[in-house]
Amino acid sequence: KAGVTQTPRYLIKTRGQQVTLSCSPISGHRSVSWYQQTPGQGLQFLFEYFSETQRNKGNFPGRFSGRQFSNSRSEMNVSTLELGDSALYLCASSETLGATNSPLHFGNGTRLTVT
Amino acid sequence: AQSVSQHNHHVILSEAASLELGCNYSYGGTVNLFWYVQYPGQHLQLLLKYFSGDPLVKGIKGFEAEFIKSKFSFNLRKPSVQWSDTAEYFCAVSIVSGGGADGLTFGKGTHLIIQP
Repeated sequence: KAGVTQTPRYLIKTRGQQVTLSCSPISGHRSVSWYQQTPGQGLQFLFEYFSETQRNKGNFPGRFSGRQFSNSRSEMNVSTLELGDSALYLCASSETLGATNSPLHFGNGTRLTVT
Repeated sequence: AQSVSQHNHHVILSEAASLELGCNYSYGGTVNLFWYVQYPGQHLQLLLKYFSGDPLVKGIKGFEAEFIKSKFSFNLRKPSVQWSDTAEYFCAVSIVSGGGADGLTFGKGTHLIIQP
């Protein structure tokens, strides 16, 4: 099975712009979660989607949003970019909702740099 | 909000040494516990997990972890490390409620370097 695929691998944007990141989960996985990784804050949970619905949400401002499509692929959008949004954004998929009986499988991430 | 603390940010050991990485969390209710590992140049992958039952869980590559509820701890251990264990190790917790479990709260990570 192919792993979790995130595109693009690298992005450079300027402050005020918006960005969309894409994630294709492992085939058969219905849950997609997004995490932000920075040197200062470490890994932080953004949100989780299951069956096209946001099921869990972390503590991030409304500028961070996402969606999931019927084929379980997910996109994450960040509007009005700030310098502090520079980070590695990780997507993870799992068979079931939440970190319960099935583990998360992570992608390699999208490295976003905001200048 | 709950938090996860990993006591050591950097650990350097020689091959064959024993390893114990500390992890404590703050939530008093039911939790799922995980250790994830990130080898150089690779993505995060699950090392082991605890949901319920035997508090001593065994994972891949000879790793094990013990859940001590009274201490809110989930320490990772390996009796004899190898050079290939050089990696970043993350402890993670998810809160279990009536609606299932929420997203993972990760510790800041421990960078483990094994010297040959």
